Amino acid sequence: DQQVKQNSPSLSVQEGRISILNCDYTNSMFDYFLWYKKYPAEGPTFLISISSIKDKNEDGRFTVFLNKSAKHLSLHIVPSQPGDSAVYFCAASGAVGSARQLTFGSGTQLTVLP
Amino acid sequence: KAGVTQTPRYLIKTRGQQVTLSCSPISGHRSVSWYQQTPGQGLQFLFEYFSETQRNKGNFPGRFSGRQFSNSRSEMNVSTLELGDSALYLCASSLLMVDTQYFGPGTRLTVL
Repeated sequence: DQQVKQNSPSLSVQEGRISILNCDYTNSMFDYFLWYKKYPAEGPTFLISISSIKDKNEDGRFTVFLNKSAKHLSLHIVPSQPGDSAVYFCAASGAVGSARQLTFGSGTQLTVLP
Repeated sequence: KAGVTQTPRYLIKTRGQQVTLSCSPISGHRSVSWYQQTPGQGLQFLFEYFSETQRNKGNFPGRFSGRQFSNSRSEMNVSTLELGDSALYLCASSLLMVDTQYFGPGTRLTVL
């Protein structure tokens, strides 16, 4: 049972345009959401996060939007650059007893074309 | 600050053997989590350690175990290796048991 879903395995965008990566979740106990970027043979790199008390968080070219009623979040990259080409993972965090645990989506391969 | 380091980076073992992977968290970070990444299953949570205690465990068999030392360094062990254990094993650290985890480069384990 996938609690965090990234339904688009791949996305291609022209350089300079907007990239929009989507993520859906099913567990209403999730209250913190993160995006990571991953290059081959490297560990994921933290990009941006958002708490469930917010609906938007911005950091430079990256903006994350959260729609709690739809259990949907998205990552916007504006403008997209060729160096942004990587796999992007959405992750959600919620309390599990006294601990917290990250649950990851399956990832979206973003390719930014020059 | 140095990032999360993992050793070794690459490892080849045969079925039935056991393996130990090591992770050094970012200085000052006390929580260490381990994940397995495979093409079929994606990134899956193995366990989390905080103050030398396992706080949370994912849905993996008992062959997968770990520990954390007083300096927050962590090791994970996989016994009786199976072909399906071939994966990238990622360690992540965080300051406390908070949510932004920072990942190491991973250990690529190949089981033949």
